[in-house]
Amino acid sequence: DTAVSQTPKYLVTQMGNDKSIKCEQNLGHDTMYWYKQDSKKFLKIMFSYNNKELIINETVPNRFSPKSPDKAHLNLHINSLELGDSAVYFCASSQDLVGLGTQYFGPGTRLLVL
Amino acid sequence: QQQVKQSPQSLIVQKGGISIINCAYENTAFDYFPWYQQFPGKGPALLIAIRPDVSEKKEGRFTISFNKSAKQFSLHIMDSQPGDSATYFCAAGSTAGGTSYGKLTFGQGTILTVHP
Repeated sequence: DTAVSQTPKYLVTQMGNDKSIKCEQNLGHDTMYWYKQDSKKFLKIMFSYNNKELIINETVPNRFSPKSPDKAHLNLHINSLELGDSAVYFCASSQDLVGLGTQYFGPGTRLLVL
Repeated sequence: QQQVKQSPQSLIVQKGGISIINCAYENTAFDYFPWYQQFPGKGPALLIAIRPDVSEKKEGRFTISFNKSAKQFSLHIMDSQPGDSATYFCAAGSTAGGTSYGKLTFGQGTILTVHP
């Protein structure tokens, strides 16, 4: 059983397109996150949600819009994709708001913008 | 003040050797320091974590050493194995409120290669 799953695994698209990445966790956790890992492997938080409520919103362009339909799902929609958006996007979840026990990461979505 | 600085960027050790990765932080509000391990093509996974009330924590071959006054912590991998070859990230977070509350700030990562 996959604890945190993401779809798609790979995403290749043209500049200017709009795309979405979906994330689901079956751990019963209250908090979910989106991270961006760049080509140098630097891992940076983008957003976190707790029970469908936005908690952390880092300095991310407003072309990125997270949506949490329920506490088991956190999707990421990206408008007007740019070359610099190419990265690996990880979804993660943790048991509570503080989220510092263990964060469980998904397998990542590799986004390439051409 | 949010940064966590990690070194070295890459590390090559022989099988059976000791791997040491260091991290330093500035934000005194940080009170949780985990290490994550990431294999190629996979998401990071928690390896071991420490809170500042102890100076050392050991789990199997992995040990975290923590120096609160110096604001530094390190990961030691004893008897390193080829299967330990991965990218290691230190991180820091705060459970006590403030701008770091509820989020982890990651170091830049260390690519560890263990030769057989």
